[in-house]
Amino acid sequence: GAVVSQHPSWVICKSGTSVKIECRSLDFQATTMFWYRQFPKQSLMLMATSNEGSKATYEQGVEKDKFLINHASLTLSTLTVTSAHPEDSSFYICSARDQGGVYEQYFGPGTRLTVT
Amino acid sequence: QQPVQSPQAVILREGEDAVINCSSSKALYSVHWYRQKHGEAPVFLMILLKGGEQKGHDKISASFNEKKQQSSLYLTASQLSYSGTYFCGTEGWEAAGNKLTFGGGTRVLVKP
Repeated sequence: GAVVSQHPSWVICKSGTSVKIECRSLDFQATTMFWYRQFPKQSLMLMATSNEGSKATYEQGVEKDKFLINHASLTLSTLTVTSAHPEDSSFYICSARDQGGVYEQYFGPGTRLTVT
Repeated sequence: QQPVQSPQAVILREGEDAVINCSSSKALYSVHWYRQKHGEAPVFLMILLKGGEQKGHDKISASFNEKKQQSSLYLTASQLSYSGTYFCGTEGWEAAGNKLTFGGGTRVLVKP
């Protein structure tokens, strides 16, 4: 149990285009999902907290107009990187907390975004 | 504030033990431990909720010293599969049930 999926696994896009990444909790409901960004050999940096049915809460320094988050249902959250630039290239990982458990947080497999 | 992990890296021979520490400057509600292998997402190892709590899975265990605001992860009789980067994620009382703040990670390499 406690499986989180992400799609796509990797994506290459041209500068100026937008990219959507999906995060799904497959076998549990998640009222809260989180989006992280990770650069090579660095830690996980929280970008935003996604709440089902309400606006996402962004961490300081994260542009909410550039990284659009939508939590449409208890099992799906999406991150859209708008007008992508090469500096947005990174490993994006979502996670979800199992509300039925003791707040364990499970991560998706991640999406590697490369902007050319 | 980001918790501090130490050491930053450790190299072990198969069968040796290691300890990874995670310290916070604020009172903690919980500590979560994860292991991440190269190019993959972090995998949940365990969560510690109560001061003084100790947990284990196979030969990996952890303790949580609430008063000292720190947690330690113990790798006992390490196996090759233990290689990876270990992260602690901490949750303060003000954010209980919500977001985690991750330490900088400890890179572990287990050699035959």
